[in-house]
Amino acid sequence: NAGVTQTPKFRVLKTGQSMTLLCAQDMNHEYMYWYRQDPGMGLRLIHYSVGEGTTAKGEVPDGYNVSRLKKQNFLLGLESAAPSQTSVYFCASSSNRGNNQPQHFGDGTRLSIL
Amino acid sequence: GQQVMQIPQYQHVQEGEDFTTYCNSSTTLSNIQWYKQRPGGHPVFLIQLVKSGEVKKQKRLTFQFGEAKKNSSLHITATQTTDVGTYFCAGQTIKAAGNKLTFGGGTRVLVKP
Repeated sequence: NAGVTQTPKFRVLKTGQSMTLLCAQDMNHEYMYWYRQDPGMGLRLIHYSVGEGTTAKGEVPDGYNVSRLKKQNFLLGLESAAPSQTSVYFCASSSNRGNNQPQHFGDGTRLSIL
Repeated sequence: GQQVMQIPQYQHVQEGEDFTTYCNSSTTLSNIQWYKQRPGGHPVFLIQLVKSGEVKKQKRLTFQFGEAKKNSSLHITATQTTDVGTYFCAGQTIKAAGNKLTFGGGTRVLVKP
C-alpha cells in the first residue's frame, strides 16, 4: 500500500532556481492538497485540487504553481526559489465522498533554499 | 479568514501524568479532525468529531467537541513515551470547497521518563 508518495525527499536549491515537487496517490482520491510546514505554524495550505484538470489557491499560494493533469498526480512548482520558501512540503489526498473525509499525507519533501 | 489556535504550543509531561491540549476556531465548524505527527514523520489522522458536544475515546486519548462547535480538546491519560509527537487539530467549515482543512499550530508533546 503506497498511499501518497512524494519525490524528492530532500533537495537543496540556490536562490532563483526552479524545481517541481511530485506527488502521486494510488487511492483514487479526487481531492489533493499541497501544504508547507514551518516551525510553530502548523500546516498551511498552498494550493489544492478538487479533480483532474482543476486547481485552486489556498492560504499561501504566492510563489508557487500547481498542475493536476492526471487524477493520481499533483505537481507543485517553484519558478524562482527564494530563501523564504525553505520549508517541509507535504502532499495529501482525500476522498470526495461527502464531507468529513480524513486527509492522507505523504512523507514530505524537505527543501532548503540557499 | 478562518483561524484555528492551539494551546499550549509545547507540553512537557512526566511519564504517567495526564495532560490536555486545546483547540479554538474563530468560526463555527462542521467538523474537527485531529492528527498526530511523530518527530520526522508526517501527520496521521487520529479521529474526527462532527456533533456538538461529542466525546470520543481511543484507549488513553479522549477527544471532545464543544457545544458551539468552535472548540475542541484532546486529553491524554497516563502519558507514555509513545505519545511523543505533535498533535494538530484541523477544522473544516460547512461546505468547505474540496473538504479543505485549517490546521492549528500544533502542540508538541515531550515526555520525561
